[in-house]
Formats: sequence, structure tokens, C-alpha cells
Amino acid sequence: GAGVSQTPSNKVTEKGKYVELRCDPISGHTALYWYRQSLGQGPEFLIYFQGTGAADDSGLPNDRFFAVRPEGSVSTLKIQRTERGDSAVYLCASNFPRSTEAFFGQGTRLTVV
Amino acid sequence: GQNIDQPTEMTATEGAIVQINCTYQTSGFNGLFWYQQHAGEAPTFLSYNVLDGLEEKGRFSSFLSRSKGYSYLLLKELQMKDSASYLCAVMDSNYQLIWGAGTKLIIKP
Repeated sequence: GAGVSQTPSNKVTEKGKYVELRCDPISGHTALYWYRQSLGQGPEFLIYFQGTGAADDSGLPNDRFFAVRPEGSVSTLKIQRTERGDSAVYLCASNFPRSTEAFFGQGTRLTVV
Repeated sequence: GQNIDQPTEMTATEGAIVQINCTYQTSGFNGLFWYQQHAGEAPTFLSYNVLDGLEEKGRFSSFLSRSKGYSYLLLKELQMKDSASYLCAVMDSNYQLIWGAGTKLIIKP
């Protein structure tokens, strides 16, 4: 596609529910990143994919968070048993490996009530 | 640990010049980035420095000193649309981006 696409743009869910956030990167970009951004803060790294594999998942806060990228393009971030503290904007970015520019999607604003 | 520091907020006047500083301590260095982020929008790329010195791109310039762990973003001829947050990020030895919290720039007429 022309840019990084994230769906949904907004998601409101009840505490304890399961959510999936989708990222469709720019075609051909093998590197994909998930970040979480709280109000007034910079992006917080969650996980980095190189192709289908998670090259670095050290930023995932706990085992309720999981992400997949089965075919090396679209990625899904999965959050189980959501908590109010999970409320944030979840950003996805993609680029060619070691590229000097990462392209961001518009983000998914997750609100846990 | 890894750390990126930049001021939380700055205010400047339309038409003036403003300099946003960034200091960093990271595990390795593979370049420093500046991104602009308008409220409610995704960050957009502004500049990349990997060698010491000044990179100029229109009204925006970015400077890097690797020995001092220091960079600044210089914005000239400020316009109201420049009101945004400016994020400093460093690519570490693992080619991961380490982000600062951002500097909120307020432009007054």
C-alpha cells in the first residue's frame, strides 16, 4: 500500500477483554515495529519483526501481550485480559532493515474502561 | 541504561528561530533522528545525522556532536503550523530506535 495502515483507528474495550490490533506495512518493508505511546510521552518500543520472526520482543511489558507476523507482511498485536493501564496509542512502523527512515501508521487509540 | 533527554516544552514566536536540544546515552550509536508529531497524529521523519556537523533542510537544520552525545534541531522562520512535538531518537548498536519523550513546541503569534 501507499503507507502504513493500522486498524482500527479507535478501540474501546472493557477491562478483562481480549483485543487485536492490526498493522499493514508498506509493501516490501521487511522490518516492522510496534510501539506504545502514552499522552505526553515518546513512543515506547514493544517488539520488532524482521520478516516473519520477532527479532526483539524485549519491550513487551508482560505475557498478556503477543504479536505475530505469519507471512512477513501484516502483523497483529494481541492483548489478553486488558487492563486500564493498557490504554494508549499503539503505533506501528515499517522500513527496510537498517534504513534511515521509519514510516509510521496513524496508530490505534486503545481505551480500556 | 539508555537515556534520551530533551526539554518538555518550549515556547517561541512566529517568525523567530528556536533550538531544541537533545542529549543521549546509548549502547552504541547508529544515527540520530528527529521526528515531528502533531497532536493525535503519527510521527513524521524530519532528519537523520550519523556524522558530526550540521545538516540543513529548508527551514529545519539538525546538528550532531557524537563526542558530546548532543544534538539540536534548529527551526527558522517559525510558522504556526510548526506547533507540534519534536521527538529525538537514537539508533543503538542493535539498530533499535531509542526515543526521547518529545519537546512540545508552542508557537505564539
